[in-house]
Amino acid sequence: QLVVTQSPSASASLGASVKVTCTLSSGYSDHIIAWHQQHPEKGPRFLMKVDSDGSHIKGDGIPDRFSGSSSGTERYLTISSLQSEDEADYYCQTWGSGIPVFGGGTKLTVL
Amino acid sequence: QVQLAESGGGVVQPGRSLRLSCAASGFDFSRYAMHWVRQAPGKGLEWVAVIWYDGSNKYYAESVKGRFTISRDNSKNTLYLEVFSLRAEDTALYYCAKSRHSGTTFIDYWGQGTLVTVSS
Repeated sequence: QLVVTQSPSASASLGASVKVTCTLSSGYSDHIIAWHQQHPEKGPRFLMKVDSDGSHIKGDGIPDRFSGSSSGTERYLTISSLQSEDEADYYCQTWGSGIPVFGGGTKLTVL
Repeated sequence: QVQLAESGGGVVQPGRSLRLSCAASGFDFSRYAMHWVRQAPGKGLEWVAVIWYDGSNKYYAESVKGRFTISRDNSKNTLYLEVFSLRAEDTALYYCAKSRHSGTTFIDYWGQGTLVTVSS
């Protein structure tokens, strides 16, 4: 069964880098995922899709500070030069057998 | 640019029904699968349903199967979600979202949501 796991929270200092992790269940190492960002009281926004080989394609207007990568069943979102507006919830999304699956989300705090 | 505008939410009593709509613009609606995703207060995103570009395939989350119906009118660039037998746990912000391709894949655009509150 396809399950997507994310740590509930992450934090990093202003100007630093942070890596948010999305873990797919065993046997799904070939799956593409997407990262979405959601600020409080706002609708989500598509950030990028990340392939199993680590290649990624970003959405409209997403800054270069955001990048994606992969290793096995893990998919990563790296944000460099953290800014205060990066404080948000980040969701991982994939799909299998026609059914989309979301991770529980990671709340990023910028210190 | 892509725009997705949901409507139809409101306060409804348990057991009643509602129809949500999503007006799409800025892209060729008939070429892409469309999703409904909901978010209960203070909770994460929960996928609800998807319909493929031509309506040929529809999939539902187990939590809504048999009570919700997704449909689309490609001539009107509009997506629908009919929700029946509403329960308190269906209270959420309902988002319309565009799929990247004609079938189920990742979401690349989101609407702003319409709030459904189930309460007596």
